[in-house]
Amino acid sequence: GAGVSQSPRYKVAKRGQDVALRCDPISGHVSLFWYQQALGQGPEFLTYFQNEAQLDKSGLPSDRFFAERPEGSVSTLKIQRTQQEDSAVYLCASSSRTSGFYNEQFFGPGTRLTVL
Amino acid sequence: AQSVAQPEDQVNVAEGNPLTVKCTYSVSGNPYLFWYVQYPNRGLQFLLKYITGDNLVKGSYGFEAEFNKSQTSFHLKKPSALVSDSALYFCAAAGGATNKLIFGTGTLLAVQP
Repeated sequence: GAGVSQSPRYKVAKRGQDVALRCDPISGHVSLFWYQQALGQGPEFLTYFQNEAQLDKSGLPSDRFFAERPEGSVSTLKIQRTQQEDSAVYLCASSSRTSGFYNEQFFGPGTRLTVL
Repeated sequence: AQSVAQPEDQVNVAEGNPLTVKCTYSVSGNPYLFWYVQYPNRGLQFLLKYITGDNLVKGSYGFEAEFNKSQTSFHLKKPSALVSDSALYFCAAAGGATNKLIFGTGTLLAVQP
């Protein structure tokens, strides 16, 4: 497909379980972002990758959150020992940055995580 | 700290009438502003952006936005609303060296037939 894809689309976890969320960005896009969108709120920045380098992880809410992009394409957001407050939609976005610094970001459909 | 405000949780408009969705921002340095639309169970879709140049920016689906530096606003507009425009609209500002987006809380646009 031509767009950003995310899997799974829905994830239900019991409190204390570990989860892994996958993002496939648009092919060739250098930049990749993760955002967290709580119910009724706007997305909030979690972390940013330029190729395989994680340049900004200032938005990760705790050390239970970990993200990687080892080959500069697919990215995984991992949440360890999930808590109820982790319930949200996790959005992935990619950007080309080839024709200007403030290129628009293209978003995936998100993964809705529910922690019971 | 940079922030974006959308003062209206919901905007109601009749089909065929003009619509405005309000956004104000607080950023350091030059503002780089975006509008996105979110349909149910779908990702955010880019509508338009202001980086520099003309204060009136034209985007997808007939939408436009007016940048006003003195009022620190970036309101989204459309001359004639369609029922299919009903969705959740987010204003955002790009901030920091990494171009991360800072979003407002969103405005639900409801267009009545």
